[in-house]
Amino acid sequence: GQNIDQPTEMTATEGAIVQINCTYQTSGFNGLFWYQQHAGEAPTFLSYNVLDGLEEKGRFSSFLSRSKGYSYLLLKELQMKDSASYLCAVRDVRNRDDKIIFGKGTRLHILP
Amino acid sequence: DAGVIQSPRHEVTEMGQEVTLRCKPISGHDYLFWYRQTMMRGLELLIYFNNNVPIDDSGMPEDRFSAKMPNASFSTLKIQPSEPRDSAVYFCASSPTGQNNQPQHFGDGTRLSIL
Repeated sequence: GQNIDQPTEMTATEGAIVQINCTYQTSGFNGLFWYQQHAGEAPTFLSYNVLDGLEEKGRFSSFLSRSKGYSYLLLKELQMKDSASYLCAVRDVRNRDDKIIFGKGTRLHILP
Repeated sequence: DAGVIQSPRHEVTEMGQEVTLRCKPISGHDYLFWYRQTMMRGLELLIYFNNNVPIDDSGMPEDRFSAKMPNASFSTLKIQPSEPRDSAVYFCASSPTGQNNQPQHFGDGTRLSIL
């Protein structure tokens, strides 16, 4: 089966750096996504990793280690608008079945 | 560009009633997904279609739930009869052919409350 774990909640201060971890177990791993979801809104795409290493995109970076089944999302220079849930999602491909499985998300609270 | 369009945005109905949720994917996207989101269970995949054909419906909770995609621009998710435990936000998402690194684009969701 599939299993995706991430912390339920985190708190950080405006201007600081925060790292949100995600561990996963799946037999058909073929990529990992991070999505941001503000309260009452739809998830929006942040990043994609399929190879080991760090992908940087502005203030946000995402890291993947396939051998460890581990990823993290790094947010720098935190802003109040970064208060949201961050969803880790794994692409699972087996035979003709190709789908994305989401974790339950990490609610990030930014304090002034 | 128009994104994924869902209707209605909100639905409140009494248990036992039939509920129909609608979705229009982004034009040219061959994959369509239906998700349910609750605080307890997070974002759960219910069913997805490729080129209008259902590929995996293993996430559909029970026979009260059904989904159709009669053409490339329209899909419905139906609950009959509805129960209070079906209360959740239902999202529709679409993505282009051969996903790879192509993310899913989500609609604004339907907030469903069953009394």
